[in-house]
Amino acid sequence: GAVVSQHPSRVICKSGTSVKIECRSLDFQATTMFWYRQFPKQSLMLMATSNEGSKATYEQGVEKDKFLINHASLTLSTLTVTSAHPEDSSFYICSANTGGDSYNSPLHFGNGTRLTVT
Amino acid sequence: GESVGLHLPTLSVQEGDNSIINCAYSNSASDYFIWYKQESGKGPQFIIDIRSNMDKRQGQRVTVLLNKTVKHLSLQIAATQPGDSAVYFCAENERGTGNQFYFGTGTSLTVIP
Repeated sequence: GAVVSQHPSRVICKSGTSVKIECRSLDFQATTMFWYRQFPKQSLMLMATSNEGSKATYEQGVEKDKFLINHASLTLSTLTVTSAHPEDSSFYICSANTGGDSYNSPLHFGNGTRLTVT
Repeated sequence: GESVGLHLPTLSVQEGDNSIINCAYSNSASDYFIWYKQESGKGPQFIIDIRSNMDKRQGQRVTVLLNKTVKHLSLQIAATQPGDSAVYFCAENERGTGNQFYFGTGTSLTVIP
């Protein structure tokens, strides 16, 4: 159980275009999902918390106008990288947990999206 | 956030030996910790978790130790196998802060057959 699916797994886009990445919880509902970014040989950096039915919460230093997050249902969050530039090339990973906000439970991760901006 | 964007330290072990991977965390209020395994090109996979009211927890071939005094976690893997080769991260969470997890630097484990 607790499967998180992410799509696409790889995307190549031209500089200046926008790319949308989808994250779905397949067998559970997720009021919150989390978006991480990972550069090669580095750790996962939390970008933002996606909240179902309300605005996302962004970590310090993350541009909310560049990384648009929409969490329209309890099983789907999307991350749109707008006006992508080569420095946005990275591995983007989404996650969710089955627990409520009142207690801790493990995050379950998607398999990530490798974005390459040319 | 608490995560640090440093390059990964590495650890090489002989197949069959035990591995110990260490992690220092930064938030003294963190009360829930998880070890994840990440294989190349994939998302992190849950290995084992521990809450701050414990100092040791065992799973199948893995043990996590928590030392809250010095804010240190370790992951011990018994009888390491080639399939254990991966990057290992610890992640910390503070209860009541919205379930955000912050990741440590990570360690790249290579098992030598």
